Amino acid sequence: GAVVSQHPSRVICKSGTSVKIECRSLDFQATTMFWYRQFPKQSLMLMATSNEGSKATYEQGVEKDKFLINHASLTLSTLTVTSAHPEDSSFYICSARGRLEYEQYFGPGTRLTVT
Amino acid sequence: KNQVEQSPQSLIILEGKNCTLQCNYTVSPFSNLRWYKQDTGRGPVSLTIMTFSENTKSNGRYTATLDADTKQSSLHITASQLSDSASYICVVGSTSGGSYIPTFGRGTSLIVHP
Repeated sequence: GAVVSQHPSRVICKSGTSVKIECRSLDFQATTMFWYRQFPKQSLMLMATSNEGSKATYEQGVEKDKFLINHASLTLSTLTVTSAHPEDSSFYICSARGRLEYEQYFGPGTRLTVT
Repeated sequence: KNQVEQSPQSLIILEGKNCTLQCNYTVSPFSNLRWYKQDTGRGPVSLTIMTFSENTKSNGRYTATLDADTKQSSLHITASQLSDSASYICVVGSTSGGSYIPTFGRGTSLIVHP
């Protein structure tokens, strides 16, 4: 099956710094990538949707200047958490969609801890 | 508003027993319905995917059903194992204006005890 990777799997950073998370589709072209955030024992919350080569569409309440998303190619999307605060600590998961509408594959997630 | 409701919120069963998880949705237009298994600290992994015309689909000990008329789906787990302990998420996809929009349920947390 299709594989989506994320890097890093875990990251600890200090408050005020920025962190970049990469999401790659390894064996298919991802026309759309989704970024989710998940707090402990809660469901996935969609943050933004991005199509290759165009600006991301952010969900209501998600600050686009804080969570910068770049979908530069059909196999790579990045999420940069700028000026991170402890409340940004969460599990961030990306998902990639292929050309067929039923294809949606998730990455393994990135655990971000802001101290 | 598109919604996906899952029940129960949590479930505890003994190893070897069967269980059924429910998913009700109000998503339009309907494109597909998927069940995912999410282990703690991991990304969701697809178990089954069904389109409008499919009533049932199996993946090993997992069997999903879909009733498009009543907008209900179930995930049946047979002969549960300790490794089945996870969160099970129902996702209903919709296509609108060329965009694919998934709506997530909140998940059912399953704990299998020895």
